[in-house]
Amino acid sequence: TQLLEQSPQFLSIQEGENLTVYCNSSSVFSSLQWYRQEPGEGPVLLVTVVTGGEVKKLKRLTFQFGDARKDSSLHITAAQPGDTGLYLCAGRGDDKIIFGKGTRLHILP
Amino acid sequence: EAGVAQSPRYKIIEKRQSVAFWCNPISGHATLYWYQQILGQGPKLLIQFQNNGVVDDSQLPKDRFSAERLKGVDSTLKIQPAKLEDSAVYLCASSWGDRGYEQYFGPGTRLTVT
Repeated sequence: TQLLEQSPQFLSIQEGENLTVYCNSSSVFSSLQWYRQEPGEGPVLLVTVVTGGEVKKLKRLTFQFGDARKDSSLHITAAQPGDTGLYLCAGRGDDKIIFGKGTRLHILP
Repeated sequence: EAGVAQSPRYKIIEKRQSVAFWCNPISGHATLYWYQQILGQGPKLLIQFQNNGVVDDSQLPKDRFSAERLKGVDSTLKIQPAKLEDSAVYLCASSWGDRGYEQYFGPGTRLTVT
């Protein structure tokens, strides 16, 4: 069974700090997506990474897909309270779409 | 562009009762997904439709859950009878293609079974 493991589960940091969250698997994925979910809402797509080693930037967010396409990371520079939320990674494995359990991020003002 | 619409937003029922959720995807999106998200976990895919055909329903508890997508647009998800462990948020999503990329999610329906 393919799994996407996200770490850390919870992260609480001060506004202005940098942080990195991870999405790991023992399996290869053809692509990975990152979503952010706020309370009472559905997940919102942030980015899709497809090529091993690919790096994508979205303002202060930097996403990287591992060379072997088994892992991905999300780095946030100078975190802001508006970055607070549940960050989910998702991928298609064994012909089935799976999500990680997410990293719950809280940015303190 | 209108997003994915879901109703109701909240539902409280007693165990063994029935419940139905409705989803209207983004116009033109051929693929529609239903997910179950239990508190503290990521979404779990229940069923995926491509137009009005089922692509994947391997994780749908078919003894109590059913879903349909008539005319390849709107979809309903039904639970009959509900169990306590069905308490969760039920999310509907849609996308252009069928590979699961770039899904657009609705706000979800929070179901509480007492």
